[in-house]
Amino acid sequence: DGGITQSPKYLFRKEGQNVTLSCEQNLNHDAMYWYRQDPGQGLRLIYYSQIVNDFQKGDIAEGYSVSREKKESFPLTVTSAQKNPTAFYLCASMFTGDTEAFFGQGTRLTVV
Amino acid sequence: GIQVEQSPPDLILQEGANSTLRCNFSDSVNNLQWFHQNPWGQLINLFYIPSGTKQNGRLSATTVATERYSLLYISSSQTTDSGVYFCAAAYGNNRLAFGKGNQVVVIP
Repeated sequence: DGGITQSPKYLFRKEGQNVTLSCEQNLNHDAMYWYRQDPGQGLRLIYYSQIVNDFQKGDIAEGYSVSREKKESFPLTVTSAQKNPTAFYLCASMFTGDTEAFFGQGTRLTVV
Repeated sequence: GIQVEQSPPDLILQEGANSTLRCNFSDSVNNLQWFHQNPWGQLINLFYIPSGTKQNGRLSATTVATERYSLLYISSSQTTDSGVYFCAAAYGNNRLAFGKGNQVVVIP
C-alpha cells in the first residue's frame, strides 16, 4: 500500500536518553516534515526537508535532529537536550510546489 | 510566520444539526487544507482548497483567499463527525501553519 509509515506507534524512554522516530514514505514525495502536537494544541513544525541531504529548522527545532539520506526516509532524533519531549509526533510528506500534504499515523513518545 | 486562528474552539452538536467552523489566517497563503483528527490521532485529509468551494458528501469548504479565511460546513452531523478539525495554511517553502483546532462533539 502507498503511504507514510511511522514507527513505533508508542515509545517509552527514560529521561536523558536519545530516541529516534522513524518515518518512511513510498509516495515518491520530495518534501518531508516533522510536527509535534501537545494536548489540546495544534501542530508545530520541528524540521522539514525539501530534498535529499538537505533540511531546515522549523519553529521548535531545539533538542531535535534529523537526517535525509534517502528520499523515502526522514528519521527524527529526540535528544536529551529536549526539555519536554513527551508529545505526539507526526510526520508528513508532499510533492514540492503547491500540493497537498499527507500525514502518517503518528508516534506517541512518553519520557519518564 | 503566519498566524492561524480557528473558531469556535469547542462545539457540541445534536445529531442532525448543521455547523460552520471558521479559519482565519494572518497573511497571504499558497494553499489551505482542512483535516479531521481521528481518536487515534491520525490526520485525515478533508479538503485541499486554496480558493473557491468544494463539497464532499455532507462536508463542504469555502476559502476566500483575498479576505484570508476559510469555512468548513458540516451538514446533518453524525456521531462519527466528532473529533478535532484542523485547518493548515501553507506559506513560504510549503511550510504548514496549523490552528489550534475545533473540538467537535456530536451527541445522539
